Amino acid sequence: GAGVSQTPSNKVTEKGKYVELRCDPISGHTALYWYRQSLGQGPEFLIYFQGTGAADDSGLPNDRFFAVRPEGSVSTLKIQRTERGDSAVYLCASSPGMNTEAFFGQGTRLTVV
Amino acid sequence: EDQVTQSPEALRLQEGESSSLNCSYTVSGLRGLFWYRQDPGKGPEFLFTLYSAGEEKEKERLKATLTKKESFLHITAPKPEDSATYLCAVQGMTSGSRLTFGEGTQLTVNP
Repeated sequence: GAGVSQTPSNKVTEKGKYVELRCDPISGHTALYWYRQSLGQGPEFLIYFQGTGAADDSGLPNDRFFAVRPEGSVSTLKIQRTERGDSAVYLCASSPGMNTEAFFGQGTRLTVV
Repeated sequence: EDQVTQSPEALRLQEGESSSLNCSYTVSGLRGLFWYRQDPGKGPEFLFTLYSAGEEKEKERLKATLTKKESFLHITAPKPEDSATYLCAVQGMTSGSRLTFGEGTQLTVNP
């Protein structure tokens, strides 16, 4: 597709469960970012990939959060033992390279009940 | 640590009533300042990148300007379809490729 695609658009899960959120970036974009946005707040950085490797994962809140990008294209954000405080919109973005404008997907709204 | 403060939090305008949104920032060496528009239930939509003080960029009714401490998003003769949340973000020299966002200004333009 022409833009960044995120699936699912909505996810409701029970506390303690494991979830995976998928991001399909714009074709040819080497940089991929994950952000988290709570209601009324700006997006908060989680992790950045350049190619297949995580160049900066300093925004991941704890070791329950993990992300991969095995072939340098699609990325998956994985959250173990979900907590109610993990409820937020998870945004993925991609850019042609480092230090260029990032283009965002529609986000995945995660609700932990 | 990079910091961004946007004001006002919310702004209500009549159609045609021009105004400005403010983005104040603190960063150890600015690599770039970015403006995004976000509609409810959508991801942020890229508008502008500014790199150095004195730079200006325009798109339709929007014009973004940059100084060493702040950026303004000027909206000239707004229309109801300009209603959205406008987000400002900075990328600092010491923060890699991450963006640090402000909390946004929620703009409502009434017909």
